[in-house]
Amino acid sequence: GQQLNQSPQSMFIQEGEDVSMNCTSSSIFNTWLWYKQDPGEGPVLLIALYKAGELTSNGRLTAQFGITRKDSFLNISASIPSDVGIYFCAGRFDLSDSWGKLQFGAGTQVVVTP
Amino acid sequence: DTAVSQTPKYLVTQMGNDKSIKCEQNLGHDTMYWYKQDSKKFLKIMFSYNNKELIINETVPNRFSPKSPDKAHLNLHINSLELGDSAVYFCASSQGGARDNIQYFGAGTRLSVL
Repeated sequence: GQQLNQSPQSMFIQEGEDVSMNCTSSSIFNTWLWYKQDPGEGPVLLIALYKAGELTSNGRLTAQFGITRKDSFLNISASIPSDVGIYFCAGRFDLSDSWGKLQFGAGTQVVVTP
Repeated sequence: DTAVSQTPKYLVTQMGNDKSIKCEQNLGHDTMYWYKQDSKKFLKIMFSYNNKELIINETVPNRFSPKSPDKAHLNLHINSLELGDSAVYFCASSQGGARDNIQYFGAGTRLSVL
């Protein structure tokens, strides 16, 4: 089956620093999603990507859908304490007549220190 | 108003018991999901229902039985609970079939089997 590798597993950064994480897949996707999970909560969608090469921003967050359709990255600029949480990538390959299952990466734990 | 709500939030029970987790969504979506998040935070899909019909059924022990009385509800019943069932279970919903098939997650049910 498809393998989604997300790295790094964890990051300890100082407030104000930029954060970068990425996901790679063994197979192609036609949708990449990035979620954030706060402690005790469910994942919340940050950015959705639907086209190879697409670059999308959401405030201080920027994500890109890789040209090969097998990877995506998420950048967080000028981190703040509330950026703490687990960030998940998720990918899906949809057929023309049905939609595929969402595959999740293992998550990147981000810790921001003042 | 909470879009995807799960009850209970916490569930502590003895091995061998039978328990149910309820999920309701008020987003008007036609597709609902159950995910299991293990202690390493890995999210894995278990089931998916579209308009009350089962469309995804991963390799899950048959002690787990989802039930969808209508498209706004997807409950999960677990028989003969085992220690390995301890995890966080997330319900999610989406408007299946649409290009922007974004899944919205509930806050999770933390199941501890003693």
